[in-house]
Amino acid sequence: AQSVAQPEDQVNVAEGNPLTVKCTYSVSGNPYLFWYVQYPNRGLQFLLKYITGDNLVKGSYGFEAEFNKSQTSFHLKKPSALVSDSALYFCAVRGDSNYQLIWGAGTKLIIKP
Amino acid sequence: NAGVTQTPKFQVLKTGQSMTLQCAQDMNHNSMYWYRQDPGMGLRLIYYSASEGTTDKGEVPNGYNVSRLNKREFSLRLESAAPSQTSVYFCASSEGGFVVYEQYFGPGTRLTVT
Repeated sequence: AQSVAQPEDQVNVAEGNPLTVKCTYSVSGNPYLFWYVQYPNRGLQFLLKYITGDNLVKGSYGFEAEFNKSQTSFHLKKPSALVSDSALYFCAVRGDSNYQLIWGAGTKLIIKP
Repeated sequence: NAGVTQTPKFQVLKTGQSMTLQCAQDMNHNSMYWYRQDPGMGLRLIYYSASEGTTDKGEVPNGYNVSRLNKREFSLRLESAAPSQTSVYFCASSEGGFVVYEQYFGPGTRLTVT
């Protein structure tokens, strides 16, 4: 069965420093991978996705993610963190059905001024 | 353009009571979804509707029913609420049913069952 893991419950970064939020996956076949962000008391918002093609995917708000097939990872990155990036970040992978996503437990990102 | 709207925002039920969560989208999307979000866990799909007139079970459908009323509206019903259904419920929609399509989420309904 398909699965996704976010190994860190929380990541703390100083404003202006680069940030990485980790995601690893286990799938049969080609992975479809996604990152979403949830701000407090809001629904989730799409950030970026990897379906095929270039391993470095660029998304919204200056975020990017690198697909690494050998390490089965899809880490989210940003070169310079902003306080406003503080939120809950979810990685997701296509499930057994093409209509379903399997979600990670989420990583809380805290950016300190 | 409101996107995806959900009502109510908060609800407290007693065990055994029933209720319907409402969801509507104004983006002319074909597909709609109901998820639940529990602390320390990712979202889990309850039911989805790939297109108007169709509904399918997701990962955790037991205790729930859904109705795709029309292209805009997708409701979730709890027939006999249980404490295990205490959760935050999110409705989402997407242009197509295939996962490659970006999903747009509503603000959520926080449900407590006592």
